Amino acid sequence: QQPVQSPQAVILREGEDAVINCSSSKALYSVHWYRQKHGEAPVFLMILLKGGEQKGHEKISASFNEKKQQSSLYLTASQLSYSGTYFCGTEYTGANNLFFGTGTRLTVIP
Amino acid sequence: GAVVSQHPSRVICKSGTSVKIECRSLDFQATTMFWYRQFPKQSLMLMATSNEGSKATYEQGVEKDKFLINHASLTLSTLTVTSAHPEDSSFYICSASPGSNQPQHFGDGTRLSIL
Repeated sequence: QQPVQSPQAVILREGEDAVINCSSSKALYSVHWYRQKHGEAPVFLMILLKGGEQKGHEKISASFNEKKQQSSLYLTASQLSYSGTYFCGTEYTGANNLFFGTGTRLTVIP
Repeated sequence: GAVVSQHPSRVICKSGTSVKIECRSLDFQATTMFWYRQFPKQSLMLMATSNEGSKATYEQGVEKDKFLINHASLTLSTLTVTSAHPEDSSFYICSASPGSNQPQHFGDGTRLSIL
């Protein structure tokens, strides 16, 4: 049930943009996005509940394509603080239990 | 904001010991809490859903007799790793949500090392 994320890793210079994709083999009820820094707990970024819904959080936004069973996370004008591993968490039934994607390691360099 | 507290943050113990990890929602009630396991450089794997007042729901491949879950109140879930062995060493994280369609809030995790 684990969704697949791409790319696995990406290195950006400050100010560059990135897109992280999350694909599921099953129909999705919702998609959550989290960022985890090394040795720490995941931190919530945003939740998408409806197909086609787009949400934004500062310079980070996301979309949800229910038909394609996909979600994408967009990071614009990246900052050093954006470094970490990004996970999508997919919910299939509305039971609130999340299955996390394979992860994307993002490194932002000066 | 919603806060989840997890304790202890780090445990080092001998093989055969049982270890209890607590997860508390500090400012909201949670009828369900979730337990995850994470190996280095890997994703979080859902182990089980902890249900207040009833039995936990375990994911496929997770031994329920090995990982005992108790959800005694709306703010506390515990995970007990029974007779722990070196292969049980991992990072265990709990989460809880104030309600449906709400974000999951994570505890700080427990790093378990079995010698």
